[in-house]
Amino acid sequence: EVQLWESGGGLVQPGGSLRLSCAASGFTFSSYAMGWVRQAPGKGLEWVSAITGSGGDTYHADSVKGRFTTSRDNSRNTLYLQMSSLRAEDTAVYYCAKGSTMSRPYYFDCWGQGTLVTVSS
Amino acid sequence: EIMLTQSPGTLSLSPGERATLSCRASQSVSSYLAWYQQKPGQAPRLLIYDTSSRATGIPDRFSGSGSGTDFTLTISRLEPEDFAVYYCQHYGSSRTFGQGTKVEIK
Repeated sequence: EVQLWESGGGLVQPGGSLRLSCAASGFTFSSYAMGWVRQAPGKGLEWVSAITGSGGDTYHADSVKGRFTTSRDNSRNTLYLQMSSLRAEDTAVYYCAKGSTMSRPYYFDCWGQGTLVTVSS
Repeated sequence: EIMLTQSPGTLSLSPGERATLSCRASQSVSSYLAWYQQKPGQAPRLLIYDTSSRATGIPDRFSGSGSGTDFTLTISRLEPEDFAVYYCQHYGSSRTFGQGTKVEIK
């Protein structure tokens, strides 16, 4: 059974940094692209970032480009989202999601339960 | 960036009725269109991919159709557990989501 477990969320001040992790199990991690999708309170889904199975290519939404970095450690079956220069509008539940294939195009066929990031002073 | 517009924003129906949800793209997305269901407090769940293929374990009352810029998710007979928010997503050149359609009990 595919399982994704996010961690690292919490309260952070504007301008601060945070690193989210997503531990994966139940599939060959390196064979699939992975991504992050966020959802602000009461709002819809917003795609944040994606990374190919090898980790060689990453993609970020314009809203986070230059502030967020996506990486993966295939030896640890773990996906990361390094967030810096955080803003109030980054407040959201962040979901880790498994891609359907190693590289584009892919949809997200399995999602974690999410971790809440709150940016506030 | 390709924009996806879902309509209606809210659909009020009774159990047993047919639900028809629309997703319109600002330009052609080929067949790279997926649908997700999200219930309150839960993560999204994949329903449909490649416009019309059902994900593993999804009941056949859910069906997807369309091409180019106009896509539809149909729920043939609403079950109590189907009342939720539904999102479409393009996963080709961009990865945008629609704003969602809430299916609520009338």
